[in-house]
Amino acid sequence: KQEVTQIPAALSVPEGENLVLNCSFTDSAIYNLQWFRQDPGKGLTSLLLIQSSQREQTSGRLNASLDKSSGRSTLYIAASQPGDSATYLCAVGTGNQFYFGTGTSLTVIP
Amino acid sequence: EPEVTQTPSHQVTQMGQEVILRCVPISNHLYFYWYRQILGQKVEFLVSFYNNEISEKSEIFDDQFSVERPDGSNFTLKIRSTKLEDSAMYFCASSGAGGNIQYFGAGTRLSVL
Repeated sequence: KQEVTQIPAALSVPEGENLVLNCSFTDSAIYNLQWFRQDPGKGLTSLLLIQSSQREQTSGRLNASLDKSSGRSTLYIAASQPGDSATYLCAVGTGNQFYFGTGTSLTVIP
Repeated sequence: EPEVTQTPSHQVTQMGQEVILRCVPISNHLYFYWYRQILGQKVEFLVSFYNNEISEKSEIFDDQFSVERPDGSNFTLKIRSTKLEDSAMYFCASSGAGGNIQYFGAGTRLSVL
């Protein structure tokens, strides 16, 4: 069964810093990988989707990379802002479902 | 921007009662999903649905659960006889094709007393 791990569990950074969130998965036979943002008590907002054939995706200040063979993905956030404070979830897709990590809780301090 | 809508936002029920959680997926999407998140735990896959039938389900999705697309717009999750451990946030998601971006609703918080 696919296991998804996210490190660190929590991260606190001053505003303006660049940061990297890590996601690892045990089975490299994935279809795609999606990064989400979850605000407290809210639903999940899709940030980026990387197909298994891709190496990275970019959206604004966000860049996600995928190394399928090593079972790793990273989410890079440039020039962090207080509004980026949320929990970031990595989810590995097998075509019909996603396996989620436990998330990284990010706090950006003004 | 199109969005997935879930109702109610919060449902309180007594143990043993049946509940129906409702979702309106994005209108031109073909794939529908239910997930749940117990407080403080991971988001867990329950079931995926395509072409009016279940395409995949997890071990959590046992006989007490069922899904239905009763008309062209709604997608429902029924829990037949709720247990205390069913208390969780339930998320509906939809995608235009399998393997594409899944768009999530805001969730229904189910509290079983």
